[in-house]
Amino acid sequence: DGGITQSPKYLFRKEGQNVTLGCEQNLNHDAMYWYRQDPGQGLRLIYYSQIVNDFQKGDIAEGYSVSREKKESFPLTVTSAQKNPTAFYLCASSKGQTSTNEKLFFGSGTQLSVL
Amino acid sequence: KNQVEQSPQSLIILEGKNCTLQCNYTVSPFSNLRWYKQDTGRGPVSLTIMTFSENTKSNGRYTATLDADTKQSSLHITASQLSDSASYICVVKGGATNKLIFGTGTLLAVQP
Repeated sequence: DGGITQSPKYLFRKEGQNVTLGCEQNLNHDAMYWYRQDPGQGLRLIYYSQIVNDFQKGDIAEGYSVSREKKESFPLTVTSAQKNPTAFYLCASSKGQTSTNEKLFFGSGTQLSVL
Repeated sequence: KNQVEQSPQSLIILEGKNCTLQCNYTVSPFSNLRWYKQDTGRGPVSLTIMTFSENTKSNGRYTATLDADTKQSSLHITASQLSDSASYICVVKGGATNKLIFGTGTLLAVQP
């Protein structure tokens, strides 16, 4: 069953705690992305990676970190520096960024809440 | 400023009826425009991608139109079904960095 798997579906963070959201894809896509979705707002890009061992900051990278050690995996860590982490987090992938009409495939999302 | 605005914010229709969702954008330069369907608590799923030269594109009961001159797009849903209840997001790729700019979505509820 091809696609993008995000884990866990729900996550709770205590104050001062770092938490990691998982994202795995078996689509053999080069590019992967993390977006944040808040009620009443459009999706905002946190980080993206076009190739293994390389990633770039998006529009709202502060308080977040990522790694891309394997092509299939792109975990996102929400650090204690992110003061307002409650949101729906979406991981996405595409074949690459070279084609302007590249279709973006999304995972099912992780809802992060603060205790 | 590059922006994507959608209307209405929310819409309720009866099953079997048609509806049209609107998207206006100010993104320049323009690469393409996408419509996504997002079920509650799920990730968005692509419906259509339209480039500058495409006026109309269909995907089953979904038909998207694009007027690049007026920078407007619409998504028409024909013979709505209960499963069409979702948020519909308009996304424009473009701007100086050719990135994706997301609208806030139209929340559609189809009632029996």
